[in-house]
Amino acid sequence: QVQLVQSGAEVKRPGASVKVSCKASGYTFTNYHMHWVRQAPGQGLDWVGVINPSGDSTTYAPKFQGRVTMTRDTSTSTDYMELSSLRSEDTAVYYCAVVRVGYWGQGTLVTVSS
Amino acid sequence: DIQLTQSPSFLSASVGDRVTITCRASQGISSSLAWYQQKPGKAPKLLIFDASTLQSGVPSRFSGSGSGTEFTLTIDSMQPEDSATYYCQQFNNFPHTFGQGAKLEIK
Repeated sequence: QVQLVQSGAEVKRPGASVKVSCKASGYTFTNYHMHWVRQAPGQGLDWVGVINPSGDSTTYAPKFQGRVTMTRDTSTSTDYMELSSLRSEDTAVYYCAVVRVGYWGQGTLVTVSS
Repeated sequence: DIQLTQSPSFLSASVGDRVTITCRASQGISSSLAWYQQKPGKAPKLLIFDASTLQSGVPSRFSGSGSGTEFTLTIDSMQPEDSATYYCQQFNNFPHTFGQGAKLEIK
């Protein structure tokens, strides 16, 4: 069955970086874009960006431009999202998702605290 | 960025009620809209894509309609398990923005 398994929770200091992984299985990884979405505690959904199936093109939401990097390792069917210069407002659950077909990861809580 | 405004933001309904949630876009987005259901502590679940296509496995009491700037999600007969927050998302332009959410509770 389809699975998107994300890496575990992270606690980071302000100014640090975090890299979240998303390992896919059960479908043809290179057929679909992977989106990243975040949700701050008690808040709504916030689209972060997307990487294309071959991993050579990304589009990021303007609010994250310059701080986010999405990469893809097709050999391991794993996507990565790295967010730098973390601030407290980046505290959120980060999801990877193949939105077109409704596959979502379980979410990764990133806590930014001094 | 395209703004999506959902209304109402909060509603309560009794079992068997018909429920309608609206999503208005700040500019035309054709039919490039999806609806999600999210329950506390869980990832969103895709209900509808391309404004009106029911995702496989989703109960037929859910339906979507609309195009351009106005869209609706309808639940024909509210069930207790439908208590959740519902979000719309547009895919016509980057960034792929979400509505602010509509929380639906059972009366």
